[in-house]
Amino acid sequence: QKEVEQDPGPLSVPEGAIVSLNCTYSNSAFQYFMWYRQYSRKGPELLMYTYSSGNKEDGRFTAQVDKSSKYISLFIRDSQPSDSATYLCAMSGPPTDSWGKLQFGAGTQVVVTP
Amino acid sequence: DTGVSQNPRHKITKRGQNVTFRCDPISEHNRLYWYRQTLGQGPEFLTYFQNEAQLEKSRLLSDRFSAERPKGSFSTLEIQRTEQGDSAMYLCATGPPNQETQYFGPGTRLLVL
Repeated sequence: QKEVEQDPGPLSVPEGAIVSLNCTYSNSAFQYFMWYRQYSRKGPELLMYTYSSGNKEDGRFTAQVDKSSKYISLFIRDSQPSDSATYLCAMSGPPTDSWGKLQFGAGTQVVVTP
Repeated sequence: DTGVSQNPRHKITKRGQNVTFRCDPISEHNRLYWYRQTLGQGPEFLTYFQNEAQLEKSRLLSDRFSAERPKGSFSTLEIQRTEQGDSAMYLCATGPPNQETQYFGPGTRLLVL
């Protein structure tokens, strides 16, 4: 079983809808959580970064972390066709233990239709 | 452009040949990571440098793989005697000191024929 599980999708939503993405993980040592957006044949782009549990909002993006449930979420409000991409969750443990290396989910493909 | 840069962007080689990729980090980022990504999967960690010191290598990094970061600036990843299973996107990511964020380059897409 992988340390980080993520539904591969595809997830298709109409323009303007809320996109809801999530990941579950098994390693309780994870404490840094990130979401990346990756367009086809490009490198991942950092969207959101959260330390430990809680919510963080940045523009149309909201990231949530529930460490007790080992569950993280990303919400995209007012979705646009340009949001069509693969979204990757990533997480890492304490730097002293893991050197910050990221464990990624497989990515969820999102398609926003006009 | 002050982001992470990688060269070449694409590489096609024949099985058994050696290839070398280069990563130029964001200025002042002392942490540098190499990852490998195959189709439909998330990136997998290969190796980590803090300044010029290589502090961790994944078991995925066989003895055909070697990475360097001389003087703590750019880094190179070399694959010797390439195999078809090495075909993947090789990603470099760098991060500033005292933060856990990582910023990725555009990747080098390798195809081994």
